[in-house]
Amino acid sequence: LAKTTQPISMDSYEGQEVNITCSHNNIATNDYITWYQQFPSQGPRFIIQGYKTKVTNEVASLFIPADRKSSTLSLPRVSLSDTAVYYCLVGDFYAGNMLTFGGGTRLMVKP
Amino acid sequence: DAGVIQSPRHEVTEMGQEVTLRCKPISGHDYLFWYRQTMMRGLELLIYFNNNVPIDDSGMPEDRFSAKMPNASFSTLKIQPSEPRDSAVYFCASSLPSGSGSEQFFGPGTRLTVL
Repeated sequence: LAKTTQPISMDSYEGQEVNITCSHNNIATNDYITWYQQFPSQGPRFIIQGYKTKVTNEVASLFIPADRKSSTLSLPRVSLSDTAVYYCLVGDFYAGNMLTFGGGTRLMVKP
Repeated sequence: DAGVIQSPRHEVTEMGQEVTLRCKPISGHDYLFWYRQTMMRGLELLIYFNNNVPIDDSGMPEDRFSAKMPNASFSTLKIQPSEPRDSAVYFCASSLPSGSGSEQFFGPGTRLTVL
């Protein structure tokens, strides 16, 4: 089971780009990297998923280096509404090991 | 699609009472998950089902907890008897995996308070 390590908290200001890095040194060949966002009093919401290199969608980008031992979630030009907890998950869904949410990173966006 | 539906949204009960939480997954999703979230322990997976069959219940804390999925559109999580330490937000999620990756869709949660 690939263990993930991410910062407990981060602060940013509106309009800035935020990069949250997750370390997963023992990632396995079949493992995917998935990021979720959770607002207070809501369930987590899928943001982005990737296997290697770079993935981009309308919300974020995910950068994965060649060795896949880490990944970086990039949020462009954050706003106050991006204040949330961000979770990095690593695993192979069919192996049943992509279901462990760590402590997450609490992002605070300030005006 | 209405998304994952959970009921009730809030439940307050007294210690020793039976509590039943309900979940309706997104139509067509063949995986269903039950999670519990507390400040101390974060988000914990309790059990998950595939095609209505329990696959892994190793996260179920005690025999007081039980979960069923009688059909593809309904699941229950029951606590009997309930204890104050069961107070938490319980989330249900469903998924339709694609390859080894997956996106889970979470419901709004049930906030359980056991007095």
